[in-house]
Amino acid sequence: AQSVTQPDIHITVSEGASLELRCNYSYGATPYLFWYVQSPGQGLQLLLKYFSGDTLVQGIKGFEAEFKRSQSSFNLRKPSVHWSDAAEYFCAVGQGNFGNEKLTFGTGTRLTIIP
Amino acid sequence: DAGVTQSPTHLIKTRGQQVTLRCSPKSGHDTVSWYQQALGQGPQFIFQYYEEEERQRGNFPDRFSGHQFPNYSSELNVNALLLGDSALYLCASSFRGLNQPQHFGDGTRLSIL
Repeated sequence: AQSVTQPDIHITVSEGASLELRCNYSYGATPYLFWYVQSPGQGLQLLLKYFSGDTLVQGIKGFEAEFKRSQSSFNLRKPSVHWSDAAEYFCAVGQGNFGNEKLTFGTGTRLTIIP
Repeated sequence: DAGVTQSPTHLIKTRGQQVTLRCSPKSGHDTVSWYQQALGQGPQFIFQYYEEEERQRGNFPDRFSGHQFPNYSSELNVNALLLGDSALYLCASSFRGLNQPQHFGDGTRLSIL
């Protein structure tokens, strides 16, 4: 069965500092991978996705993620965080013929930004 | 271009009651998925509908059922509500095809007393 692990429950970063959120997955085939962000009381917004091809993918709001098959990882990065980036971040792996028929999510990483 | 819309935004029920949640997909999308997100947890997949049929199902009991209409909108029904059903219920829509991500609504917060 597929699974996603986000080792960091809570991360605190200073505004302007760089950020890396970790994600490890377990999946037998080529994974379809996603990062979503959730602000309090809101739904999930798609930051970026990996289906195939270039292992470094660019997303919205200046985020990027790198797929490393050898490490079963899909870590999210941002060079300089802004106070508005404070939110909950979820990594997910998709399954099915089209990669979007069922998403399995990690437990999330809560990001706090300090001035 | 309206995104995924869900109604109602909040709902309070008592144990044993039944509830229906509604979802309208993003324009151009033909597939709807439902997720349950308990407090402090990641979303858990309930099921997915395409062409008015349930195509995939997660590890949820038969008390959870759904429906998709010809206009692609969807309903989630939960019978015999338990305290543990208190959660944020998220609807996601997508276009059935390669490289098509799911887009989420803001959810319905269901509280069971």
